[in-house]
Amino acid sequence: NAGVTQTPKFQVLKTGQSMTLQCAQDMNHEYMSWYRQDPGMGLRLIHYSVGAGITDQGEVPNGYNVSRSTTEDFPLRLLSAAPSQTSVYFCASSYLGSYNSPLHFGNGTRLTVT
Amino acid sequence: AQTVTQSQPEMSVQEAETVTLSCTYDTSESDYYLFWYKQPPSRQMILVIRQEAYKQQNATENRFSVNFQKAAKSFSLKISDSQLGDAAMYFCAYRSAYQLIWGAGTKLIIKP
Repeated sequence: NAGVTQTPKFQVLKTGQSMTLQCAQDMNHEYMSWYRQDPGMGLRLIHYSVGAGITDQGEVPNGYNVSRSTTEDFPLRLLSAAPSQTSVYFCASSYLGSYNSPLHFGNGTRLTVT
Repeated sequence: AQTVTQSQPEMSVQEAETVTLSCTYDTSESDYYLFWYKQPPSRQMILVIRQEAYKQQNATENRFSVNFQKAAKSFSLKISDSQLGDAAMYFCAYRSAYQLIWGAGTKLIIKP
């Protein structure tokens, strides 16, 4: 099994450009989420989904959109990139049966906005 | 709102010795879960150990164990017989429902 697959691994954008970070999982997890990781701040939740067609905001949702049309895919869209969105982005998924279920992470995307 | 605090930005330990990483959290909930994740330089996030708040017994996974003090809202990680491969950032996380709240991390350095 591939687990959680994130693409791309690296991306450089100019201010105002748009892009989509892709995330796919093959474990049939109901729960999927996007985090950003900034130095000295740990991970912060951007958006999450508990199933196809259901999404909700996390701690830092501004500037990001998500959709969940299938169980497997959970793309993150930056509509108009800003330098403040320079960060490392992680997609993570888990079962919903128990909150004890650990998150399975992708390998991250390093995004630089100039 | 829940918060997670890791007060040690960096820790170092001699190889084969024991080190304890601190984590405290603030919550008004009674049912929650706590996790320690490891992030090596490869950037991959790896689950180290987890603890259910309703369990009094401290979780153990091989060389890794926790000291869970619910009343004090403390969740420290003890690494015994430290190995070079343990060098990484360690993150403490609190989970309730659909959100995880993360600490800022502790960088663990292993001295050979």
